[in-house]
Amino acid sequence: ETGVTQTPRHLVMGMTNKKSLKCEQHLGHNAMYWYKQSAKKPLELMFVYNFKEQTENNSVPSRFSPECPNSSHLFLHLHTLQPEDSALYLCASSQDLPPRGYSNQPQHFGDGTRLSIL
Amino acid sequence: KQEVTQIPAALSVPEGENLVLNCSFTDSAIYNLQWFRQDPGKGLTSLLLIQSSQREQTSGRLNASLDKSSGRSTLYIAASQPGDSATYLCAAYNAGKSTFGDGTTLTVKP
Repeated sequence: ETGVTQTPRHLVMGMTNKKSLKCEQHLGHNAMYWYKQSAKKPLELMFVYNFKEQTENNSVPSRFSPECPNSSHLFLHLHTLQPEDSALYLCASSQDLPPRGYSNQPQHFGDGTRLSIL
Repeated sequence: KQEVTQIPAALSVPEGENLVLNCSFTDSAIYNLQWFRQDPGKGLTSLLLIQSSQREQTSGRLNASLDKSSGRSTLYIAASQPGDSATYLCAAYNAGKSTFGDGTTLTVKP
């Protein structure tokens, strides 16, 4: 039990489909993150939310749309994706993000959603 | 822009050996550095987090060191076991986000 649960674990979709990835954390954390992990590339930060407010958008294309309705849930809405978007999408959480640029709390990760775009 | 490099990319050792994984970062103005392990098809598991003011952290057979001035961190694994086989990632935190290295894939042979 990692404390961070992601669903679905695997997703195959066509380029014209609309789907959503879900992340839920049971750790009482206030900061949540989306990362993309592609083959043979470093983990890339996509979005950061702190107390439900987006604090970071790492130049992510608009076909990825995050939503954070509360501190326990984070969604990633997908629309008109490209084959190069196939990757492992990881969600993480941490206690919170005190004044921007400082954090001494570790991040806890979910097991990810393996996304394949046909 | 922060860049994080991990060497070697892959490492294979016999069981029982002590080993060192290396992580270097270009911007020394980090607030912390975190080491993770990732098993195939899984997310990341946090191993150790070193604050910028600290020199090392220890957990069981793992010891992580941090030298901010030289932009380096090492993860020392003592008496390696087959269960230690995984990919090890380091992440340097500054400017509000973590930058990850490519990882070192470790194989410990029985």
